[in-house]
Amino acid sequence: KAGVTQTPRYLIKTRGQQVTLSCSPISGHRSVSWYQQTPGQGLQFLFEYFSETQRNKGNFPGRFSGRQFSNSRSEMNVSTLELGDSALYLCASSRDGRGYTFGSGTRLTVV
Amino acid sequence: SQELEQSPQSLIVQEGKNLTINCTSSKTLYGLYWYKQKYGEGLIFLMMLQKGGEEKSHEKITAKLDEKKQQSSLHITASQPSHAGIYLCGADKSNDYKLSFGAGTTVTVRA
Repeated sequence: KAGVTQTPRYLIKTRGQQVTLSCSPISGHRSVSWYQQTPGQGLQFLFEYFSETQRNKGNFPGRFSGRQFSNSRSEMNVSTLELGDSALYLCASSRDGRGYTFGSGTRLTVV
Repeated sequence: SQELEQSPQSLIVQEGKNLTINCTSSKTLYGLYWYKQKYGEGLIFLMMLQKGGEEKSHEKITAKLDEKKQQSSLHITASQPSHAGIYLCGADKSNDYKLSFGAGTTVTVRA
């Protein structure tokens, strides 16, 4: 079966711009989580959605937001980009919030 | 900051030798996950452990979760170049659909 698909793979944005990342979960998976990975902070949890509802949110500023659609696909948005937002953004899906499968990630570079 | 302590931070092993990576938490874990990552890429799921004393194996990789569910070890037998990468432990510490990750262990296998 197809895995977790994240688009785009690479992205370069300018400070102050906004960006939207997309994640398509494994078919049948209703939970989608987002993580940020940086060399300094490692993997940090952003938020988790299940059936279009956010069930948990990490300690990130309000510039980071997300949503989930009725087909379980999810998007995350970062507004007013800062240099420190440069990171690998990973999406993970699971049937019910257990047993997470990760995508290949989106590498965001803010210049 | 990392909520899970992983050790060692890195290790170099001769091909054919065994290696062990440890992951320790100060809190009881609801679930413990082991992933492998090639630099800059997504996380590859290795194993999930949920019950104290549980042990799982896949090919040459064995993972255990101790009885108190606060420490896990990942053991690779007869290492091969394909085992090189970054190994990450992730834990569900509060049953709230969020994983906390260790800083990772970088494994280098020398021929």
